[in-house]
Amino acid sequence: GESVGLHLPTLSVQEGDNSIINCAYSNSASDYFIWYKQESGKGPQFIIDIRSNMDKRQGQRVTVLLNKTVKHLSLQIAATQPGDSAVYFCAENTSQGGKLIFGQGTELSVKP
Amino acid sequence: EAGVTQSPTHLIKTRGQQATLRCSPISGHTSVYWYQQALGLGLQFLLWYDEGEERNRGNFPPRFSGRQFPNYSSELNVNALELEDSALYLCASSPWRGGNQPQHFGDGTRLSIL
Repeated sequence: GESVGLHLPTLSVQEGDNSIINCAYSNSASDYFIWYKQESGKGPQFIIDIRSNMDKRQGQRVTVLLNKTVKHLSLQIAATQPGDSAVYFCAENTSQGGKLIFGQGTELSVKP
Repeated sequence: EAGVTQSPTHLIKTRGQQATLRCSPISGHTSVYWYQQALGLGLQFLLWYDEGEERNRGNFPPRFSGRQFPNYSSELNVNALELEDSALYLCASSPWRGGNQPQHFGDGTRLSIL
C-alpha cells in the first residue's frame, strides 16, 4: 500500500555533530516532498521541501537530498543542537492532490 | 503573521458522543487539511477542504465529517465516538489547492474518549 517509511526510528547524536535522517518512499509518481519537525505537545513544523526536479536543496543548517532512482530522501542537520531534539517526519505529496503521506517518524536525541 | 489555530486544545468525551473541532487557517490560505495522529500510527490524512468544498477524503468512516466556512475556517465533526478515536487531531493550511505547497500545521486538539 501507500507508505513513506523511515529506516531508523531513533537517532542519538552528540551536540555539534551532523545528523542524517533517512526516508524511503514508495510512490514513484510523487513529485513533492517535505520534512517536518515535531516537538512534544506541538504540531509538525515545516523545515524544508524539495520538488522532484531537484536532487538537493539547502536551508539554514539543513540539507535535503532526493534520490529518485532508489526513491530515497534524507535530511541532514549540520552542527546539531539540543534544540533539534524532536521527532522528524518526511512526507510526500501524491497525485490525488492535497493529501500528504507521512513516514512513521524518527526521534532525534541530542546529547550535550 | 498568526499561524494555524485550533480549538479546543483538549476535549474529553465518552463513547457515543459527538465532538466538534475547529481550525482557523493562516490568513490568505484557502486550503485546510485534517489529519489524525494516533499513538503508534503516525499522521493519517482525514479530509481536505478548499474554497468551501471537500476535495479529498482519507480512509475513515463517514462519521468523520467536516466543513469549510466562507472565511476558510473549518470544523471537523466526529459522531458516535469510539475509544479508538482517541488521538491528536491536526489541522493544516496551505495557500491554494495546487500541489507543491507546504502545509503548515496547528498544535492540534487532543481528543480523549472515556
